[in-house]
Amino acid sequence: NAGVTQTPKFQVLKTGQSMTLQCAQDMNHEYMSWYRQDPGMGLRLIHYSVGAGITDQGEVPNGYNVSRSTTEDFPLRLLSAAPSQTSVYFCASSYGLAITDTQYFGPGTRLTVL
Amino acid sequence: AQKVTQAQTEISVVEKEDVTLDCVYETRDTTYYLFWYKQPPSGELVFLIRRNSFDEQNEISGRYSWNFQKSTSSFNFTITASQVVDSAVYFCALNFGNEKLTFGTGTRLTIIP
Repeated sequence: NAGVTQTPKFQVLKTGQSMTLQCAQDMNHEYMSWYRQDPGMGLRLIHYSVGAGITDQGEVPNGYNVSRSTTEDFPLRLLSAAPSQTSVYFCASSYGLAITDTQYFGPGTRLTVL
Repeated sequence: AQKVTQAQTEISVVEKEDVTLDCVYETRDTTYYLFWYKQPPSGELVFLIRRNSFDEQNEISGRYSWNFQKSTSSFNFTITASQVVDSAVYFCALNFGNEKLTFGTGTRLTIIP
């Protein structure tokens, strides 16, 4: 299994541009989520999904959209990038619908917005 | 509200020394889960341990051990005989069954050869 994969690893955007961060897992996990990591703030939840067709907002959802058309994929869309969205983005997944199942993280995407 | 505090921002120890990373949490729930993750310089997040609130037994895995004390709301992590490969940022996290993990701000551990 490849586990949780994320692309791209690095991305530089200009303010106002849009882009999609890709996340895929091959473990047949139901629960998937997106976090952002900022210096001194740990990781904060952006959006999550408990299964195909179901998504919900996390702690810091503004400026981001998600969709879950398949169990495997959970892309994160930045609609109009802002410098405040400069961060490292992590996708995670877990086996069961119980949120307390262990979450496994992808390698991260480092995004810079100029 | 639930909260995780890792008061130690950075720690440096000489190789082979023991080191303890502190984690203090706040929650009003009786059922919750605690986690530790390691983030090496390469940047990925590596799962280390998951513990539920009903299991206060200490856990040992090789050079790693965890001390869970509900009385003090702490879930501390000890590395025995530290090695350079242990250099990383370590995160403690809490979940009580809602949609997210609440992370602490992390402790950067540097092992000096």
